[in-house]
Amino acid sequence: EIVLTQSPGTLSLSPGERATLSCRASQSVSSTNLAWHQQRPGQAPRLLIYHAFSRATGIPDRFSGSGSGTDFTLTISRLEPEDFALYYCHFYGSSLPDTFGGGTKVEMK
Amino acid sequence: QVQLQESGPGLVKPSETLSLTCNVSGASIITGYYRNWIRQPAGKGLEWIGRIYPSGSTDFNPSLKSRVTLSIDMSKDQFSLKLNSVTAADTATYYCASAGFWGQGILVTVSS
Repeated sequence: EIVLTQSPGTLSLSPGERATLSCRASQSVSSTNLAWHQQRPGQAPRLLIYHAFSRATGIPDRFSGSGSGTDFTLTISRLEPEDFALYYCHFYGSSLPDTFGGGTKVEMK
Repeated sequence: QVQLQESGPGLVKPSETLSLTCNVSGASIITGYYRNWIRQPAGKGLEWIGRIYPSGSTDFNPSLKSRVTLSIDMSKDQFSLKLNSVTAADTATYYCASAGFWGQGILVTVSS
């Protein structure tokens, strides 16, 4: 099983600032098997990034994904008020079981 | 636009079987994709339960495999989850998801 470790647990930032979220895998994974989801309070998660880099339909270009091997990053270039939420990385699409990271909360400073 | 909608009882007694169905509309986009079940206890993270392919083949979270049954009815655009021998630890919001689309989730409480 692939274990995903997200850091930091909480990120305290102000609107307009840049957010950098990390996801580390317990072993090397293909970038085609790594996604990021956003979950706003009281809502279902929604897909932001798939295949490590590709934005899902309708996702603003301030969201970007990068990384390879065991280290992946979600970057939000300039935080908007609606971006303060929980973010999960997700290993998927392999013969191995899917797993999720523990999440990073982006909160308003 | 694809929409997924979970349905089923919101309250299940301990030791009984939790049964949920996910109805898919606008399904043509996701026809060839596998369908997932994911759950989230209140205030906690996401836990993948398992997936079912259009062919009916399945993969499961090893920690839940012995208690989970998944089925799919492509003609009705729906797929289902059964989780048996439930305990309070199975209380969670349950989501169905496929091809990047998520249902809104359904809260299932296990309590007598």
